[in-house]
Amino acid sequence: DVKVTQSSRYLVKRTGEKVFLECVQDMDHENMFWYRQDPGLGLRLIYFSYDVKMKEKGDIPEGYSVSREKKERFSLILESASTNQTSMYLCASSLFGGLGSGANVLTFGAGSRLTVL
Amino acid sequence: AQRVTQPEKLLSVFKGAPVELKCNYSYSGSPELFWYVQYSRQRLQLLLRHISRESIKGFTADLNKGETSFHLKKPFAQEEDSAMYYCALNGADKLIFGTGTRLQVFP
Repeated sequence: DVKVTQSSRYLVKRTGEKVFLECVQDMDHENMFWYRQDPGLGLRLIYFSYDVKMKEKGDIPEGYSVSREKKERFSLILESASTNQTSMYLCASSLFGGLGSGANVLTFGAGSRLTVL
Repeated sequence: AQRVTQPEKLLSVFKGAPVELKCNYSYSGSPELFWYVQYSRQRLQLLLRHISRESIKGFTADLNKGETSFHLKKPFAQEEDSAMYYCALNGADKLIFGTGTRLQVFP
């Protein structure tokens, strides 16, 4: 019963290529998030979205953009991939944000490991 | 500033030993804290949250506002507990994660 699906498990791209990472959730969640996971740095938030066509910058948005045309789909775009974007990318969703019981309980995808040569 | 600190990158124990993974936070309001876990080749998943005051897989975590800590504890570690553990703080519009602690439990 996979709930958050990331389209690519492993990708290898060359410097300067445009990269699309796709994420789909089937839980009707409002919120979706893109993180990158690096050893020793933990999870760092790239972008998030509270609703269709809405996006908010996270902590490290430089070099990335996102698209959310439908509620269930949240895409991460690397306009011109660079070697320092080699990482594991995690997509997550949550029912709602803010404070309070259950808020921001994230369901994660399996991850997309991107290597930029 | 909102921040989560996990001071240990790696914690190694033998099976049956007690485990404590440390987490300290910085937050001006009333904090909501979580522990997430990632087992080898599995997705990152919620382990427990302080508001539930629950014990999951033998793990507990108590919020100590005086020490601004939310340490994860288990009295007797098992080999299957080996994983990456992340402490997270609800910063209202997003979760703020620590850098993670890798727990290795040796037989």
